[in-house]
Amino acid sequence: AQSVTQPDIHITVSEGASLELRCNYSYGATPYLFWYVQSPGQGLQLLLKYFSGDTLVQGIKGFEAEFKRSQSSFNLRKPSVHWSDAAEYFCAVGARKAAGNKLTFGGGTRVLVKP
Amino acid sequence: NAGVTQTPKFRVLKTGQSMTLLCAQDMNHEYMYWYRQDPGMGLRLIHYSVGEGTTAKGEVPDGYNVSRLKKQNFLLGLESAAPSQTSVYFCASSPLRQVYSNQPQHFGDGTRLSIL
Repeated sequence: AQSVTQPDIHITVSEGASLELRCNYSYGATPYLFWYVQSPGQGLQLLLKYFSGDTLVQGIKGFEAEFKRSQSSFNLRKPSVHWSDAAEYFCAVGARKAAGNKLTFGGGTRVLVKP
Repeated sequence: NAGVTQTPKFRVLKTGQSMTLLCAQDMNHEYMYWYRQDPGMGLRLIHYSVGEGTTAKGEVPDGYNVSRLKKQNFLLGLESAAPSQTSVYFCASSPLRQVYSNQPQHFGDGTRLSIL
């Protein structure tokens, strides 16, 4: 079975600074990978996804993520953080042959943005 | 443009009471899911459905039942609520899986459930 680890529970970053959120997965083959964002009191919104091809994936809100097979990682980055980026971020992995598009989520990383 | 709608948004129950959470989607998606979200544990899959009339167990199914009588609705039931079921519950839906890719899941805004 696949698993996802997000090593950082909380990250505090200053507005305008760069942000990188770590995600490590365990899966026997190349997985499907996703990043979701959750604003307070809201559901999860898809930021970006990786299925195959180019390992650098662009998403919404200026985010990007890079798939590194050798490191089993899919880290999320943003060059310059805005106050509205304060939220909780979840990495998720899907198995390529899993019935029903099932996903396994990491524990999440909460991002605080200092003015 | 509703997407996935969950009702109710908040509920407080006493131990042993029963209730049903309703999820409705208007995107004609085949797949639907129920998750629970607890601090530090991310989202854990309770049950899911790959089509009308079919359901399957997820990672943490004990104490919950589900039904999908109509394609657009997915109900989550707690027959005898326990304090350990205090959580935020999310419903999601997804289109059919493609051959060479997967489809992202679309989430509702959640139901905050407290069991006293």
